Amino acid sequence: AQTVTQSQPEMSVQEAETVTLSCTYDTSESDYYLFWYKQPPSRQMILVIRQEAYKQQNATENRFSVNFQKAAKSFSLKISDSQLGDAAMYFCAYFANNNDMRFGAGTRLTVKP
Amino acid sequence: KAGVTQTPRYLIKTRGQQVTLSCSPISGHRSVSWYQQTPGQGLQFLFEYFSETQRNKGNFPGRFSGRQFSNSRSEMNVSTLELGDSALYLCASSSSGVYGYTFGSGTRLTVV
Repeated sequence: AQTVTQSQPEMSVQEAETVTLSCTYDTSESDYYLFWYKQPPSRQMILVIRQEAYKQQNATENRFSVNFQKAAKSFSLKISDSQLGDAAMYFCAYFANNNDMRFGAGTRLTVKP
Repeated sequence: KAGVTQTPRYLIKTRGQQVTLSCSPISGHRSVSWYQQTPGQGLQFLFEYFSETQRNKGNFPGRFSGRQFSNSRSEMNVSTLELGDSALYLCASSSSGVYGYTFGSGTRLTVV
């Protein structure tokens, strides 16, 4: 079964600094999609970034970028120039073959002013 | 474009009662998925409906059920509530999971 692992329950970063959140996954599929979601205290999950497994190029969205290592089954999220509004729970997610989207346990990010 | 709407936002029920939660997806999205979120278990998949048919199902007891209407709106029902059913219930819609899901703000259910 496909599983998603986030080994960092909590992370902290200084405002304006860079932080990297880790995610690994287990799959035997070759075609799949990976996502990072942000859940602020308002509790609505927001899609941050998406990566297609068949694309070698790492996805970027403004200050958010990923490091996708397909062979290592690793999908980390880098947040540059961290802002107070980035404080939230971050979830890594996996999707393939019209099955359910699988989520990691989440990483709580604190941003210090 | 309206987002995913979940009602109600908060709900307090007594053990043994039943509850129905509602989710209105983004217009044009035919897939609706439901998740249970708790501090200890994270996001647990309940079920997914696509064009009024249950396409995927998680490992929850039969007390948890759902349905989808012809306008893609979905409801989930929990019968014989237990204290452990207290959680945030999230609904998500999509045109296809390859593009990611759009989530609602959730319904916070408290069972007392």
